[in-house]
Amino acid sequence: GENVEQHPSTLSVQEGDSAVIKCTYSDSASNYFPWYKQELGKRPQLIIDIRSNVGEKKDQRIAVTLNKTAKHFSLHITETQPEDSAVYFCAAILPTGFQKLVFGTGTRLLVSP
Amino acid sequence: EPEVTQTPSHQVTQMGQEVILRCVPISNHLYFYWYRQILGQKVEFLVSFYNNEISEKSEIFDDQFSVERPDGSNFTLKIRSTKLEDSAMYFCASSLTSNSYEQYFGPGTRLTVT
Repeated sequence: GENVEQHPSTLSVQEGDSAVIKCTYSDSASNYFPWYKQELGKRPQLIIDIRSNVGEKKDQRIAVTLNKTAKHFSLHITETQPEDSAVYFCAAILPTGFQKLVFGTGTRLLVSP
Repeated sequence: EPEVTQTPSHQVTQMGQEVILRCVPISNHLYFYWYRQILGQKVEFLVSFYNNEISEKSEIFDDQFSVERPDGSNFTLKIRSTKLEDSAMYFCASSLTSNSYEQYFGPGTRLTVT
């Protein structure tokens, strides 16, 4: 089955800095890679996703890059703000079956003013 | 914007008791999921459900667990005889089709087994 590893587990940045979170996956057949933001006690919220036929996707201050050869994908947040502080989870989906999300272990991002 | 809803937000139960967690997926979605998250850990897949059948389940989803769509809007997760280790946040999610991939999560039910 699929396995997703994520690092770092914690990341502290100053407001305005960039933050990068990296994930690797094990099954080359995985074809969809979402990123979820989870604030304390809240639901995971889908913030950006990328499909395997695309190398990069941007949405304002966030971007995701995918390297299929190396089987890794990354979340990039530019001009970080205190409200970006949360736990970020990457995930992967295999095209077989019914799209169960396999999550990484999460990165706690702290943005200090 | 439509959202997945879940009730109750917090359930406290004694070991060995049955609990039913309820979810209302987004109305035009066809695929439904349950995930759980033990405090401080990652989100783990439990089960997926489509066309009134379980389509996939994890090794966590043993005989103590069952899911049901009793009517056109609700999707439930039942734990027959709760154990201490069932204490977790349980999230329901839904997606439109099997090819749309985007899964939207409910706010979760925190289950505490004492």
